[in-house]
Amino acid sequence: RKEVEQDPGPFNVPEGATVAFNCTYSNSASQSFFWYRQDCRKEPKLLMSVYSSGNEDGRFTAQLNRASQYISLLIRDSKLSDSATYLCVVNGRGGDMRFGAGTRLTVKP
Amino acid sequence: SAVISQKPSRDICQRGTSLTIQCQVDSQVTMMFWYRQQPGQSLTLIATANQGSEATYESGFVIDKFPISRPNLTFSTLTVSNMSPEDSSIYLCSVEVGRTGDTYEQYFGPGTRLTVT
Repeated sequence: RKEVEQDPGPFNVPEGATVAFNCTYSNSASQSFFWYRQDCRKEPKLLMSVYSSGNEDGRFTAQLNRASQYISLLIRDSKLSDSATYLCVVNGRGGDMRFGAGTRLTVKP
Repeated sequence: SAVISQKPSRDICQRGTSLTIQCQVDSQVTMMFWYRQQPGQSLTLIATANQGSEATYESGFVIDKFPISRPNLTFSTLTVSNMSPEDSSIYLCSVEVGRTGDTYEQYFGPGTRLTVT
């Protein structure tokens, strides 16, 4: 089983849509959770950390469910510029960050 | 955050040769990491590089193939040795920022796109 598993995607949505990505992780001792965004041919960039109480940053909302070892990212009012691959990241058994395979999002006009 | 640069940004190399990738950070950092990202795949950690000690390699990666240097707190190199076409990938340097216990943020360099012919 992979340490971090994500929806395979791709997600193709119209502008203005709400889209949700899911991620599960296998290490119950993980303490750090993040969503990264990676544009085509670019490096991953930190989108937001995920806190136990859930957190929101503008149109983006992240949720963590420790009992189910599940993380989600909700994007409201999708913009064309949101098109990217979204990577779920969790710290692994050695403390190092483990990346999911990514979910590709395309927002269309 | 941290500003990270990598050299070269891309290269095309012949099999059997070696390439050294440089990573420079604009501030002193304790932990630096080297990742590989093959086409259409996510990131795979190659090794963790601490200043003043041997790099720690992940399963499937060995020092003879991917020697790493970490001479100071702002710089690291990764060498891809005796290259084969299977080594064609993007190699990314990253750094850890703001560690509190097991929690920290990680920032990435722009990557080095390597093609081995």
